[in-house]
Amino acid sequence: AQSVSQHNHHVILSEAASLELGCNYSYGGTVNLFWYVQYPGQHLQLLLKYFSGDPLVKGIKGFEAEFIKSKFSFNLRKPSVQWSDTAEYFCAATGDSSYKLIFGSGTRLLVRP
Amino acid sequence: SQTIHQWPATLVQPVGSPLSLECTVEGTSNPNLYWYRQAAGRGLQLLFYSVGIGQISSEVPQNLSASRPQDRQFILSSKKLLLSDSGFYLCAWSQSRAGHGYTFGSGTRLTVV
Repeated sequence: AQSVSQHNHHVILSEAASLELGCNYSYGGTVNLFWYVQYPGQHLQLLLKYFSGDPLVKGIKGFEAEFIKSKFSFNLRKPSVQWSDTAEYFCAATGDSSYKLIFGSGTRLLVRP
Repeated sequence: SQTIHQWPATLVQPVGSPLSLECTVEGTSNPNLYWYRQAAGRGLQLLFYSVGIGQISSEVPQNLSASRPQDRQFILSSKKLLLSDSGFYLCAWSQSRAGHGYTFGSGTRLTVV
Protein backbone atom coordinates (compact mmCIF):
# COMPACT_ATOMS: atom_id res chain seq x y z
CA ALA A 1 0.00 0.00 0.00
CA GLN A 2 1.11 3.54 -0.68
CA SER A 3 2.34 5.38 2.37
CA VAL A 4 4.43 8.31 3.51
CA SER A 5 6.28 8.33 6.82
CA GLN A 6 7.62 11.26 8.75
CA HIS A 7 9.55 10.06 11.75
CA ASN A 8 10.09 13.36 13.53
CA HIS A 9 6.80 14.47 15.00
CA HIS A 10 8.16 17.42 16.96
CA VAL A 11 11.39 19.28 16.38
CA ILE A 12 12.71 22.18 18.43
CA LEU A 13 15.61 24.25 17.16
CA SER A 14 17.27 27.53 17.95
CA GLU A 15 17.51 30.22 15.30
CA ALA A 16 20.40 29.71 12.85
CA ALA A 17 20.48 25.97 13.47
CA SER A 18 20.34 23.65 10.48
CA LEU A 19 17.19 21.68 9.77
CA GLU A 20 16.61 18.28 8.27
CA LEU A 21 13.18 16.65 8.37
CA GLY A 22 12.91 13.06 7.31
CA CYS A 23 10.41 11.66 4.84
CA ASN A 24 10.22 8.12 3.50
CA TYR A 25 7.70 6.83 1.02
CA SER A 26 6.38 3.53 -0.15
CA TYR A 27 5.02 3.84 -3.65
CA GLY A 28 5.06 1.57 -6.67
CA GLY A 29 5.96 3.05 -10.02
CA THR A 30 6.78 6.65 -10.78
CA VAL A 31 6.48 8.83 -7.72
CA ASN A 32 6.00 12.57 -7.39
CA LEU A 33 6.98 14.09 -4.06
CA PHE A 34 5.99 17.25 -2.27
CA TRP A 35 6.63 19.21 0.88
CA TYR A 36 3.83 21.41 2.21
CA VAL A 37 4.00 23.85 5.09
CA GLN A 38 1.24 25.12 7.34
CA TYR A 39 2.09 28.24 9.30
CA PRO A 40 -0.03 28.90 12.39
CA GLY A 41 -3.49 30.01 11.32
CA GLN A 42 -2.71 29.81 7.61
CA HIS A 43 -3.43 27.61 4.60
CA LEU A 44 -1.34 24.67 3.58
CA GLN A 45 1.23 25.99 1.12
CA LEU A 46 3.46 24.16 -1.29
CA LEU A 47 7.15 24.46 -0.37
CA LEU A 48 8.63 22.41 -3.17
CA LYS A 49 7.98 19.45 -5.41
CA TYR A 50 9.88 16.78 -7.28
CA PHE A 51 8.67 15.16 -10.48
CA SER A 52 11.85 14.13 -12.29
CA GLY A 53 15.33 15.37 -13.19
CA ASP A 54 17.72 16.88 -10.68
CA PRO A 55 17.10 15.06 -7.39
CA LEU A 56 18.03 18.17 -5.42
CA VAL A 57 15.01 20.44 -5.48
CA LYS A 58 15.00 24.01 -4.30
CA GLY A 59 11.85 25.58 -2.96
CA ILE A 60 10.66 28.79 -1.45
CA LYS A 61 12.12 30.49 1.63
CA GLY A 62 15.50 28.78 1.34
CA PHE A 63 14.22 25.22 1.68
CA GLU A 64 15.50 22.32 -0.38
CA ALA A 65 14.90 18.61 -0.53
CA GLU A 66 16.83 15.70 -1.95
CA PHE A 67 15.20 12.71 -3.62
CA ILE A 68 17.21 9.56 -2.93
CA LYS A 69 15.54 6.76 -4.84
CA SER A 70 17.64 3.99 -3.29
CA LYS A 71 16.55 5.07 0.18
CA PHE A 72 12.95 5.93 -0.76
CA SER A 73 13.55 9.25 0.92
CA PHE A 74 12.79 12.91 0.27
CA ASN A 75 14.24 14.80 3.23
CA LEU A 76 13.66 18.52 3.68
CA ARG A 77 16.59 20.76 4.61
CA LYS A 78 17.36 24.33 5.43
CA PRO A 79 20.87 25.49 6.39
CA SER A 80 19.77 28.14 8.89
CA VAL A 81 16.26 28.34 10.31
CA GLN A 82 14.49 31.45 11.45
CA TRP A 83 11.81 31.99 14.05
CA SER A 84 9.35 32.52 11.19
CA ASP A 85 9.89 28.92 10.06
CA THR A 86 7.85 27.74 13.04
CA ALA A 87 5.13 25.69 11.37
CA GLU A 88 3.94 22.18 10.63
CA TYR A 89 5.58 20.47 7.67
CA PHE A 90 3.99 17.71 5.62
CA CYS A 91 5.59 15.39 3.14
CA ALA A 92 3.31 13.98 0.44
CA ALA A 93 3.53 11.61 -2.50
CA THR A 94 1.56 10.55 -5.50
CA GLY A 95 2.07 8.73 -8.76
CA ASP A 96 1.72 10.09 -12.27
CA SER A 97 -1.49 8.15 -12.85
CA SER A 98 -3.07 8.74 -9.46
CA TYR A 99 -5.66 11.19 -8.23
CA LYS A 100 -4.61 10.70 -4.64
CA LEU A 101 -2.01 12.73 -2.78
CA ILE A 102 -0.92 10.73 0.25
CA PHE A 103 0.39 12.70 3.22
CA GLY A 104 2.71 11.89 6.06
CA SER A 105 1.67 12.58 9.63
CA GLY A 106 3.47 15.92 9.73
CA THR A 107 6.32 17.42 11.75
CA ARG A 108 5.78 20.35 14.05
CA LEU A 109 8.81 22.61 14.03
CA LEU A 110 9.35 25.16 16.77
CA VAL A 111 12.19 27.62 16.29
CA ARG A 112 13.23 29.44 19.43
CA PRO A 113 14.45 33.02 18.94
CA SER B 1 -6.21 33.42 -11.08
CA GLN B 2 -7.70 30.42 -9.38
CA THR B 3 -9.04 30.65 -5.85
CA ILE B 4 -10.65 28.18 -3.51
CA HIS B 5 -13.19 29.14 -0.88
CA GLN B 6 -14.21 27.05 2.05
CA TRP B 7 -16.71 27.87 4.77
CA PRO B 8 -17.46 28.15 7.56
CA ALA B 9 -14.07 28.58 9.21
CA THR B 10 -15.24 27.17 12.53
CA LEU B 11 -18.29 25.20 13.51
CA VAL B 12 -19.54 23.77 16.77
CA GLN B 13 -22.31 21.23 16.38
CA PRO B 14 -24.09 18.90 18.82
CA VAL B 15 -23.89 15.16 18.43
CA GLY B 16 -26.63 13.89 16.16
CA SER B 17 -27.03 17.12 14.22
CA PRO B 18 -26.52 17.35 10.44
CA LEU B 19 -23.48 18.84 8.75
CA SER B 20 -22.88 20.66 5.52
CA LEU B 21 -19.50 22.12 4.58
CA GLU B 22 -19.12 23.85 1.26
CA CYS B 23 -16.14 24.38 -0.99
CA THR B 24 -16.05 26.30 -4.25
CA VAL B 25 -13.30 26.93 -6.76
CA GLU B 26 -13.07 29.94 -9.04
CA GLY B 27 -11.02 30.64 -12.11
CA THR B 28 -10.84 27.14 -13.51
CA SER B 29 -13.09 24.52 -15.04
CA ASN B 30 -13.43 20.79 -14.47
CA PRO B 31 -11.11 20.69 -11.47
CA ASN B 32 -10.47 17.58 -9.45
CA LEU B 33 -11.82 18.22 -5.96
CA TYR B 34 -10.87 16.65 -2.66
CA TRP B 35 -11.91 16.58 0.97
CA TYR B 36 -9.27 15.85 3.60
CA ARG B 37 -9.48 15.60 7.37
CA GLN B 38 -6.54 16.65 9.48
CA ALA B 39 -6.26 15.13 12.93
CA ALA B 40 -3.52 15.99 15.39
CA GLY B 41 -0.52 13.73 14.92
CA ARG B 42 -2.14 11.87 12.05
CA GLY B 43 -1.50 14.09 9.07
CA LEU B 44 -4.07 14.57 6.37
CA GLN B 45 -6.43 11.76 5.54
CA LEU B 46 -8.12 11.76 2.14
CA LEU B 47 -11.87 11.34 2.62
CA PHE B 48 -13.38 11.89 -0.83
CA TYR B 49 -12.37 12.98 -4.27
CA SER B 50 -14.29 13.91 -7.39
CA VAL B 51 -13.18 14.14 -11.00
CA GLY B 52 -16.47 15.48 -12.32
CA ILE B 53 -20.05 16.49 -11.53
CA GLY B 54 -21.82 13.74 -9.65
CA GLN B 55 -18.70 11.56 -9.53
CA ILE B 56 -17.59 10.83 -5.97
CA SER B 57 -14.99 8.37 -4.75
CA SER B 58 -14.85 7.52 -1.07
CA GLU B 59 -11.55 6.59 0.50
CA VAL B 60 -12.60 5.56 3.99
CA PRO B 61 -15.85 4.22 5.40
CA GLN B 62 -17.31 6.76 7.75
CA ASN B 63 -20.24 8.82 8.84
CA LEU B 64 -19.72 11.38 6.10
CA SER B 65 -20.74 11.78 2.48
CA ALA B 66 -19.79 14.13 -0.33
CA SER B 67 -21.58 15.57 -3.31
CA ARG B 68 -20.63 17.63 -6.33
CA PRO B 69 -23.77 19.31 -7.64
CA GLN B 70 -21.87 21.75 -9.86
CA ASP B 71 -18.52 21.70 -11.61
CA ARG B 72 -16.76 23.89 -9.06
CA GLN B 73 -18.73 23.05 -5.92
CA PHE B 74 -17.94 20.26 -3.50
CA ILE B 75 -20.01 19.59 -0.38
CA LEU B 76 -19.20 17.46 2.64
CA SER B 77 -22.22 16.29 4.61
CA SER B 78 -23.41 14.16 7.46
CA LYS B 79 -26.93 13.26 8.53
CA LYS B 80 -25.95 12.72 12.16
CA LEU B 81 -22.63 13.87 13.55
CA LEU B 82 -20.59 11.75 15.93
CA LEU B 83 -18.04 12.97 18.46
CA SER B 84 -15.36 11.30 16.37
CA ASP B 85 -16.21 13.57 13.43
CA SER B 86 -14.47 16.47 15.18
CA GLY B 87 -11.43 17.66 13.30
CA PHE B 88 -10.07 20.06 10.75
CA TYR B 89 -11.52 19.60 7.28
CA LEU B 90 -9.69 20.80 4.21
CA CYS B 91 -10.92 21.11 0.67
CA ALA B 92 -8.42 21.04 -2.20
CA TRP B 93 -8.39 21.14 -5.95
CA SER B 94 -6.04 20.12 -8.71
CA GLN B 95 -6.24 20.79 -12.41
CA SER B 96 -5.08 17.38 -13.48
CA ARG B 97 -4.04 14.15 -11.87
CA ALA B 98 -2.47 14.67 -8.48
CA GLY B 99 1.02 14.58 -9.90
CA HIS B 100 0.91 18.32 -10.12
CA GLY B 101 -0.06 18.89 -6.51
CA TYR B 102 -3.05 20.43 -4.88
CA THR B 103 -4.16 23.87 -3.77
CA PHE B 104 -5.84 23.88 -0.40
CA GLY B 105 -8.62 25.93 1.11
CA SER B 106 -8.36 27.57 4.50
CA GLY B 107 -10.14 24.74 6.30
CA THR B 108 -13.05 24.30 8.68
CA ARG B 109 -12.50 23.48 12.34
CA LEU B 110 -15.42 21.26 13.36
CA THR B 111 -16.07 20.52 16.99
CA VAL B 112 -18.83 18.08 17.81
CA VAL B 113 -20.08 18.45 21.38
